[in-house]
Amino acid sequence: ETGVTQTPRHLVMGMTNKKSLKCEQHLGHNAMYWYKQSAKKPLELMFVYNFKEQTENNSVPSRFSPECPNSSHLFLHLHTLQPEDSALYLCASSQALEVRETQYFGPGTRLLVL
Amino acid sequence: GENVEQHPSTLSVQEGDSAVIKCTYSDSASNYFPWYKQELGKRPQLIIDIRSNVGEKKDQRIAVTLNKTAKHFSLHITETQPEDSAVYFCAAPRPLHGSSNTGKLIFGQGTTLQVKP
Repeated sequence: ETGVTQTPRHLVMGMTNKKSLKCEQHLGHNAMYWYKQSAKKPLELMFVYNFKEQTENNSVPSRFSPECPNSSHLFLHLHTLQPEDSALYLCASSQALEVRETQYFGPGTRLLVL
Repeated sequence: GENVEQHPSTLSVQEGDSAVIKCTYSDSASNYFPWYKQELGKRPQLIIDIRSNVGEKKDQRIAVTLNKTAKHFSLHITETQPEDSAVYFCAAPRPLHGSSNTGKLIFGQGTTLQVKP
C-alpha cells in the first residue's frame, strides 16, 4: 500500500537532537494531519493542514514544528524532545477538510526519545 | 467540546462468536461516526462509518448501529475470525463554534479485540 508513506519508520533520538519526520501522500488529497498515538491512549490530533495552510495546532508544544511545503508533503520537525514524547506518529490525508472524508493513514514513525 | 468514550478496552472472544464495541459521545450535533481497525504493527484503516440520518449500516460481517437519543453507537462483528484480531477505534467529529463539520475527528481510546481460534 503506497497511498501515504512515512519515513523513517523507526527513530531513536536523544533529548538534544534535531530530527524530522516526513510524510508523503500520492492520493491527490488536499488535507493532511499529524497524529500522536501513545500506548493506552486515544489517537491525538496534533496538526491539520488544508491546501498547505495550517488550520489546527492542538495545543502542541513548540518542540514539535510542522511544515507543509505543498499538498503532497508534510514534515514534523523535532527539537529537544522529552522521553514522554516517545510514541507512534501517524500522518493521514483526506480529499478535503471535511469530517466525512475518509482519512488515509500512513504506517507511522515509531519514535523513542532517550 | 466533543468527548468520546469507548468500551471495553479489551475483548476476547472465541472464533465464530460475535463481538460488540460501544462508544458514547457528548455533542448532540455530531453527525458522522467512523470506525477504524488497526492490526498489530499496521496503520489504522476505515472499516465502516455511519451518518446520523440512519440507525444501522451493514457490510458483510460488520455492522454499526447508532442511537442518537442516547448518544451512543456500536460496532458489531459477527462470526468472528482470527483475522479480526486488532485494535478498533471509534471516532466522532469535533465541533467548532456550533458546526460539526470541521474535518477533525476525536477518537475513542481503542478496543483490543482478540479472537481465539
